[in-house]
Amino acid sequence: DIQMTQSPSTLSASVGDRVTITCRASQSITTYLAWYQQKPGKAPKLLIYKASNLQGGVPSRFSGSGSGTEFTLTINSLQPDDFATYYCHQYKNYFWTFGQGTKVEI
Amino acid sequence: EVHLLESGGGLVQPGGSLRLSCAASGFTFTNYGMSWVRQAPGKGLEWVSGISSSGGTTYYADSVQGRFSISRDNSRSIQYLQLDSLRVEDTAIYYCTTTLLGVNYWGQGTLVTVSS
Repeated sequence: DIQMTQSPSTLSASVGDRVTITCRASQSITTYLAWYQQKPGKAPKLLIYKASNLQGGVPSRFSGSGSGTEFTLTINSLQPDDFATYYCHQYKNYFWTFGQGTKVEI
Repeated sequence: EVHLLESGGGLVQPGGSLRLSCAASGFTFTNYGMSWVRQAPGKGLEWVSGISSSGGTTYYADSVQGRFSISRDNSRSIQYLQLDSLRVEDTAIYYCTTTLLGVNYWGQGTLVTVSS
């Protein structure tokens, strides 16, 4: 199985900060990498697909980059609504795996 | 618009069974593979099972292999997950998912609680 290592597990930030979350795959997944935001009691919300493509309706302060084994989610100018947990997700084949999650808190 | 609607969750005793359903709409169901992902209370996301577009090939996580069975009815655009020999640790929200042209779509989930 492809292992996904996400860091950090917790991130303390303030409104207006630039935030970066990293995900590393144990083998190349080319660009089959998605990023999600999840709030308590809600289903994961897709932010980024194919590593760098912004899902429709997602604010442009969110961006993704990377390919192969190293990926990054960046949130520019953190907003109050962005405090949540973020997950990376590789879908190179049917055996999907997810990062452990990053909780972005004040 | 892609829509995935899960049903069938509930409270079941250890060792019991449940069948989850996922009704799909907004895309050509017969063209795409489908998957189930679960999330235990307060925990992260865990892929459970996947099925090819034809239903001819199925995939399972080691944690559910031999206990869960995935299937689909392409004539009705529904996928299923049969959960047998349930354990307390199977308690989770189960999400129906698919990937269309690189974009992942999720349902809102159905809660399975395994408790005596």
